[in-house]
Amino acid sequence: GAVVSQHPSRVICKSGTSVKIECRSLDFQATTMFWYRQFPKQSLMLMATSNEGSKATYEQGVEKDKFLINHASLTLSTLTVTSAHPEDSSFYICSARSPGGPTDTQYFGPGTRLTVL
Amino acid sequence: GDSVTQMEGPVTLSEEAFLTINCTYTATGYPSLFWYVQYPGEGLQLLLKATKADDKGSNKGFEATYRKETTSFHLEKGSVQVSDSAVYFCALEDSGNTPLVFGKGTRLSVIA
Repeated sequence: GAVVSQHPSRVICKSGTSVKIECRSLDFQATTMFWYRQFPKQSLMLMATSNEGSKATYEQGVEKDKFLINHASLTLSTLTVTSAHPEDSSFYICSARSPGGPTDTQYFGPGTRLTVL
Repeated sequence: GDSVTQMEGPVTLSEEAFLTINCTYTATGYPSLFWYVQYPGEGLQLLLKATKADDKGSNKGFEATYRKETTSFHLEKGSVQVSDSAVYFCALEDSGNTPLVFGKGTRLSVIA
């Protein structure tokens, strides 16, 4: 099946720094990618929808200036957490949609665990 | 709006027990339905899916049938194993380019 990778898998940073997370679709072109945030023992909360070549669409309550999303190519989307604070510590998961066929399917990356000290 | 409700966990079963995790949904259209599994420390993996009423999705011994009349997509497995211990998420996709809507997840622990 389709593969989506994320890098890094784990990152620890100091408060006030910025962190970039990459999401790549390895064997298909993804016109749409999604970024989720997962708190411990909770479900995935959609943060934003990223469309290649256009601005991301953010969900209500998500600060677009804090969570910068760039979808520069059909295989890469990046999420940058700017001026990170401890409350930003979370598990960030991306997914990419594989187009075509009778049922589009989202493939999920393995996630990035961010810890802000 | 669209929503997914699944039974709260945690669910603890002995090996070889029968598993049912209930999932119901509300949607404006005719959604596709999914079950995802998340093993400890990993991302989500698609377990099975169904795209229309009465479809049955199956994989690795797990099954779920799309019941439009009861708006349900319950996950079942006849005999669970310790390796099935994970968090299971029910989800729906309404149409086209819309994001998935997830339930809150159900943690399953299988003990030997």
